Amino acid sequence: TQLLEQSPQFLSIQEGENLTVYCNSSSVFSSLQWYRQEPGEGPVLLVTVVTGGEVKKLKRLTFQFGDARKDSSLHITAAQPGDTGLYLCSGNAGNMLTFGGGTRLMVKP
Amino acid sequence: DTGVSQDPRHKITKRGQNVTFRCDPISEHNRLYWYRQTLGQGPEFLTYFQNEAQLEKSRLLSDRFSAERPKGSFSTLEIQRTEQGDSAMYLCASSLGVGATGNEQFFGPGTRLTVL
Repeated sequence: TQLLEQSPQFLSIQEGENLTVYCNSSSVFSSLQWYRQEPGEGPVLLVTVVTGGEVKKLKRLTFQFGDARKDSSLHITAAQPGDTGLYLCSGNAGNMLTFGGGTRLMVKP
Repeated sequence: DTGVSQDPRHKITKRGQNVTFRCDPISEHNRLYWYRQTLGQGPEFLTYFQNEAQLEKSRLLSDRFSAERPKGSFSTLEIQRTEQGDSAMYLCASSLGVGATGNEQFFGPGTRLTVL
């Protein structure tokens, strides 16, 4: 069973702070995705990383894929209340996605 | 809007009743997936279709669950004799299935099922 563990599970910070959330596995994934989900809605795809060591930036969000393609991190700079949500990482396991349990982020104004 | 759509968004039913959910994928996507998500957890894979063929089913998909995609476009997920443990968000996703980004899955808004 390919298991993705995300940490921390919960994070509450003030607007303007920086944060990093992690996604770790003992398995190698061909690609890894990060999603953001708001209450009552489906996950929205933020980024896909494919190459070991890859770094992708999306405005204030920086995503990194580990060299061995087993782990990933998401760094948010100067967090804003609009960043509040559930951040999910997922890895391609054959034709389906395996999801981590998510990091629930709250950014207070 | 050309995203994945799901209907209904919310369903409340009594234990023992049958329910059916519909998913309309992004039009050019030939793969369609169903996931289930309970509170505080990430989505869990249920089943997936390549065009009209159901190619993979999770052991989470008991014999009370059936999914179809008869014409390779929209899909339905039926739950018979619902149980309280079936209460969850049912998510549908689709992907192109080919090319460098063919495995990227795009999700619909989900159907929230509550079994009383």
